[in-house]
Amino acid sequence: GAVVSQHPSWVICKSGTSVKIECRSLDFQATTMFWYRQFPKQSLMLMATSNEGSKATYEQGVEKDKFLINHASLTLSTLTVTSAHPEDSSFYICSAVDRAHEQYFGPGTRLTVT
Amino acid sequence: RKEVEQDPGPFNVPEGATVAFNCTYSNSASQSFFWYRQDCRKEPKLLMSVYSSGNEDGRFTAQLNRASQYISLLIRDSKLSDSATYLCVVRYTGGGNKLTFGTGTQLKVEL
Repeated sequence: GAVVSQHPSWVICKSGTSVKIECRSLDFQATTMFWYRQFPKQSLMLMATSNEGSKATYEQGVEKDKFLINHASLTLSTLTVTSAHPEDSSFYICSAVDRAHEQYFGPGTRLTVT
Repeated sequence: RKEVEQDPGPFNVPEGATVAFNCTYSNSASQSFFWYRQDCRKEPKLLMSVYSSGNEDGRFTAQLNRASQYISLLIRDSKLSDSATYLCVVRYTGGGNKLTFGTGTQLKVEL
């Protein structure tokens, strides 16, 4: 099946710093990628829809200036958590949609902000 | 009310048992339905799609009742490796490829 990678797998950073997470579709082109966040014992919550060549669409309650999304190519989307705080500590998962509208998930990035 | 609701469990069952999970969804414009499996600290993986006529994949059977807006997953002959969280997922008409996830039901299969 299709493969989606995420880097880094986990990151620990200090409060106030920014962290960039990459999501790549390795063997297919994805015009649409999604970014989710999952807190412990909770479900995946969609943060934003990343569209290649255009601005991301954010879900209600997600700060677009804090979570910067760039979808510069058909195989790469990045999520930058700016001025991270401990409450941003979470499991961030991306997914990529192929031409058949199948959605494939990345392995996730565990962010811990100290 | 959450768009997709599930009993969080955990359900602790002995190996070999049959167990069923239920899920309800609130948006009648829902178009496609899925069951995903998520292991601890891992990404969700598609277990099976759910079709109106019901479908089976080995030990797993999924049912959909559109009138009641209800989805079920039945696991027969549970294995230790079935221990995971099972997520009910819905895709809405007009929502593009956006998926809405339930909170998940945790299953623990024990010896």
